Amino acid sequence: QVHLQESGPGLVKSSGTLSLTCAVSGGSISSTDWWSWVRQPPGKGLEWIGEVYRSGSTTYNPSLKSRVTISVDKSKNQFSLKLNSVTAADTAVYYCARVTAVRTTLIFDPWGQGTLVTVSS
Amino acid sequence: DIQMTQSPSSLSASIGDRVTITCRASQSISTYLNWYQQKPGKAPKLLIYAASSLQSGVPSRFSGSGSGTDFTLTISSLQPEDFATYYCQQSYSTPPMYTFGQGTKLEIK
Repeated sequence: QVHLQESGPGLVKSSGTLSLTCAVSGGSISSTDWWSWVRQPPGKGLEWIGEVYRSGSTTYNPSLKSRVTISVDKSKNQFSLKLNSVTAADTAVYYCARVTAVRTTLIFDPWGQGTLVTVSS
Repeated sequence: DIQMTQSPSSLSASIGDRVTITCRASQSISTYLNWYQQKPGKAPKLLIYAASSLQSGVPSRFSGSGSGTDFTLTISSLQPEDFATYYCQQSYSTPPMYTFGQGTKLEIK
């Protein structure tokens, strides 16, 4: 059973770069799935950030595209998120998730437990 | 972008009640619609995929229906563990641009 675990600094300075890693266990990041990041500001809803395939191919949310880089490290079975020029609006719980095809639709399953990143001034 | 709108935003109900949550897409998405449950401090959990298919391990009191632009999530008889926030999510867009509804918070009356 695939398990995902986020890691990275919980506090980032304004205008800096947020960097997180998601370790994949119980399965291979080289599978035919996509690997995504989703965030949730405190008390608010879910926002998809982007995803990466085993080849390194990426797709990003247009609203964040200019600031986001998602990459994959097959040797470590993990993928990473970098978000630059952060502001207080980027304070959120960041989740990693697998995106997999089931009966012609694409689902987010499983999810990591999430990690809170606070942007400080 | 495809916008997903849920109603109501919040809902109070009692144990044993039948509850329905609605999700409307800004354009037709066929049955590319999933439902998630999120409890405080936890990651979302997949309940329903492809509009009406029950994810393995999810109790049968949960059901989904709809196609095109209008979808519903129904809980046939509320249990204490069902009080949570529910989100719909579309996976129709190509290239992918996944969007979630704003959430429906289900509270105990």
